[in-house]
Amino acid sequence: AQTVTQSQPEMSVQEAETVTLSCTYDTSESNYYLFWYKQPPSRQMILVIRQEAYKQQNATENRFSVNFQKAAKSFSLKISDSQLGDTAMYFCAFSSETSGSRLTFGEGTQLTVNP
Amino acid sequence: DARVTQTPRDKVTEMGQEVTMRCQPILGHNTVFWYRQTMMQGLELLAYFRNRAPLDDSGMPKDRFSAEMPDATLATLKIQPSEPRDSAVYFCASGSGLAGGDTQYFGPGTRLTVL
Repeated sequence: AQTVTQSQPEMSVQEAETVTLSCTYDTSESNYYLFWYKQPPSRQMILVIRQEAYKQQNATENRFSVNFQKAAKSFSLKISDSQLGDTAMYFCAFSSETSGSRLTFGEGTQLTVNP
Repeated sequence: DARVTQTPRDKVTEMGQEVTMRCQPILGHNTVFWYRQTMMQGLELLAYFRNRAPLDDSGMPKDRFSAEMPDATLATLKIQPSEPRDSAVYFCASGSGLAGGDTQYFGPGTRLTVL
C-alpha cells in the first residue's frame, strides 16, 4: 500500500516571499503520479500541480513548482512570490494505474501568508 | 466552465435519518470518486466508479452506506441510518479516465452534521 507523509502541519510565510512544503511517499510501483491540491477556507479542493513519475523534468505552473526526487521519494512544492490568496491547506497526493487512479492523500500542511 | 456539482452543500440531520448526497460529474468524465474528509482521518476514499460500474467500495461501511450511478450524469451516496460519527465533508470528484493518474476534479463538497 502507498503512503504519503507531510511532516509540516503548519507553515507561515510573508507576502512576496518563497516557501517550500515537504512531502514524502512510499511505494513499490515504478509508474505513478503525484499531485498537490490546495484547499482554501471555501473547502473547494483545487489542483495546483501534477507530476508524472516517469518524467525527470520538474513540473511548473506559474508561481508553483515542484522538486521531484524519485530516488528519495520526495515531492516538495515551492511557492514563489507568495500571495495572500495562497493561504490554504495544501495536500500532497499519490495515484497509480494499478490503484485505479484513486488518490492517497497526505495529512495536509496549513499555509498562512502574512501581509 | 465545466465543474463538478454537489448537492446539498450543507446538511444537518438527526441520528437515524437517511441522508442522500448527489453529484453531477463533469460531462464526458467516466470516473467518479467519493471521498470523505474528517479531522481525525483526513481524506479517505469511500468508493469509485468507472463507466458507471462500481470498481471499489472497500472504504465504505457496507451496512449503512451505499453508492450508485443511476446514469452518467448522476452519482449518489446514501447513508441509512446516519450516525454522529458520519459527520464529515463528503467530496465527489470526476476524471476523464483516459489513463492512470488522470487529474481528478473535485466538487465543493457536502458538509454533513449528524446530531
